[in-house]
Amino acid sequence: EAGVAQSPRYKIIEKRQSVAFWCNPISGHATLYWYQQILGQGPKLLIQFQNNGVVDDSQLPKDRFSAERLKGVDSTLKIQPAKLEDSAVYLCASSLGRLAGGTDTQYFGPGTRLTVL
Amino acid sequence: GENVEQHPSTLSVQEGDSAVIKCTYSDSASNYFPWYKQELGKRPQLIIDIRSNVGEKKDQRIAVTLNKTAKHFSLHITETQPEDSAVYFCAASIRIRGKLIFGQGTTLQVKP
Repeated sequence: EAGVAQSPRYKIIEKRQSVAFWCNPISGHATLYWYQQILGQGPKLLIQFQNNGVVDDSQLPKDRFSAERLKGVDSTLKIQPAKLEDSAVYLCASSLGRLAGGTDTQYFGPGTRLTVL
Repeated sequence: GENVEQHPSTLSVQEGDSAVIKCTYSDSASNYFPWYKQELGKRPQLIIDIRSNVGEKKDQRIAVTLNKTAKHFSLHITETQPEDSAVYFCAASIRIRGKLIFGQGTTLQVKP
């Protein structure tokens, strides 16, 4: 089974520039998550989609971050303008989106490591 | 707000010894508790999970225990091997299919 795909794997930008990340979830997975993982910390949810609708974006800095999931499959996360504190690994995860034995396991992609200079 | 505390932050054991990592969650509504292993530069991978209606779950050398009253859950790894060396994250879900709240991570080093 193919896993969650993300690109690019690495990105270096100057502060105030914009950047976009792409995620392709596991085929058939209705739920898609974007997490931010700062070095030495656990992942923190930015946004959760169920198909192409937003379920939770309470921790997304909406003044600079945006995300979309057109057609309920692939998703893009954008930062504009970037700040130094946005340096982190951005992880995409997906899950079936329905209760399979009472749980809905999240599978993670390899992440995009962003460095803001 | 929602919070998961994880201890210790680093753990060093000799090969063959046991390792225990403990987590505490804040919201009593949490009902799903997965554990992820993350090797350097790689994606987090689920190693075991437990639901709130179960007190203990085992899978070969790893086990997880849950104390709902105390809002504690723990990961136990027996007969540790060098390939167990990684960062381990606990997480709690406020609702099934909801977002995961992760702990800060534990760096486990297994010395040969």
